[in-house]
Amino acid sequence: DTAVSQTPKYLVTQMGNDKSIKCEQNLGHDTMYWYKQDSKKFLKIMFSYNNKELIINETVPNRFSPKSPDKAHLNLHINSLELGDSAVYFCASSQDTWGDEQYFGPGTRLTVT
Amino acid sequence: DQQVKQNSPSLSVQEGRISILNCDYTNSMFDYFLWYKKYPAEGPTFLISISSIKDKNEDGRFTVFLNKSAKHLSLHIVPSQPGDSAVYFCAASANSGGSNYKLTFGKGTLLTVNP
Repeated sequence: DTAVSQTPKYLVTQMGNDKSIKCEQNLGHDTMYWYKQDSKKFLKIMFSYNNKELIINETVPNRFSPKSPDKAHLNLHINSLELGDSAVYFCASSQDTWGDEQYFGPGTRLTVT
Repeated sequence: DQQVKQNSPSLSVQEGRISILNCDYTNSMFDYFLWYKKYPAEGPTFLISISSIKDKNEDGRFTVFLNKSAKHLSLHIVPSQPGDSAVYFCAASANSGGSNYKLTFGKGTLLTVNP
């Protein structure tokens, strides 16, 4: 029974396309996150939502738009994909907005050609 | 600007010996530190954490040490087992007690435990 799940696991697409990555958590957590792991292997936070409300937006381009229909889901939509968007995107969740370990999904490997 | 640094990209140890993974940080506001373990094609999983009010936290074979004056922490695994082979990420946060909590990660260290 997967705690944090992401779909798809792999995504290959061409420049200029629009794509979405979905994330769901069944842990009953209040906070969800999106991270990007680039080619240099750094895991960097992109967004954080608490109870469907955006609380962290780390100067990510406007082409990236997170959407949280309910507190168990946080989807990431990317418009006009660029080569530099190629990375592994991880969704995560935690019980609170601070002081708690975060539970990560398996990642979505996005390749833009 | 790397606020959390793991200067060793890889470490290889023999089964049964101690593994020591190191992490340095620059932000003096960091007050909570975590270690995550990551297997290939999986997401990071939480391993152990330590608050800045402590200098040591132990959980089974895993112990994290924090030296605040040196802005340094380390993860000790003893005895090391082949199943411990993974990438280990150090992470830190500045707990503002509000809505701006976020983790800053290092680049990770690949640990290989040889049978």
